[in-house]
Amino acid sequence: QTVVTQEPSLTVSPGGTVTLTCASTTGAVTSAKSPNWFQQKPGQAPRALIYSASKTHPWTPARFSGSLLGGKAALTLSGVQPEDEAEYYCLLKYGGTQVFGGGTKLTVL
Amino acid sequence: QVTLRESGPALVKPTQTLTLTCTFSGFSLTTSGMCVSWIRQSPGKALEWLARIDWDDAKYFNTSLKTRLTISKDTSKNQVVLTLTNMDPVDTATYYCARTSLTTGIDYWGQGTLVTVSS
Repeated sequence: QTVVTQEPSLTVSPGGTVTLTCASTTGAVTSAKSPNWFQQKPGQAPRALIYSASKTHPWTPARFSGSLLGGKAALTLSGVQPEDEAEYYCLLKYGGTQVFGGGTKLTVL
Repeated sequence: QVTLRESGPALVKPTQTLTLTCTFSGFSLTTSGMCVSWIRQSPGKALEWLARIDWDDAKYFNTSLKTRLTISKDTSKNQVVLTLTNMDPVDTATYYCARTSLTTGIDYWGQGTLVTVSS
């Protein structure tokens, strides 16, 4: 069974930089797995941030960027704001199906 | 603008079949590359991808749930229907539908609908 793993939790200071990663038990994450990243705040539906590993949606704040790093997908927040405190999920493609990671709870403190 | 709204029963009994409808606007499932996905989230848990239907009627399912899931579309009504058979309390979750594009991935989400499985 395919498992997508993320850091369960991370803490960052306001104004700092943090990188969240997304790994696959099947091997290296490449562009073929078309990594997507989503942000979810309590009580809200998820919001799309990144698609195709590094492309942003029109509404994605400039401080969010995506990349492929060391066999994983990565989401980097630069100049973190208090409102970035949320759960972050990656989504990877395996042929026609897709699998979400377990999520990273980001605390801004 | 793009909107999606999930509808269906808030409460189902164990062993029953859940039928959810996603009604959308602002895009068409007859457009090449357009799709609709279903995702769920059990209380306090991670998101779980369930299924996707494409403009050309291709269908994809969560490997673990594929024997229980069906998905269909009615392009004249701008609706996608998901059914999940043999419901169990572990299927209690908020169910989301989301617009999906082959070029930009899952981009727009519905607000979600909470389904509780209990006798």
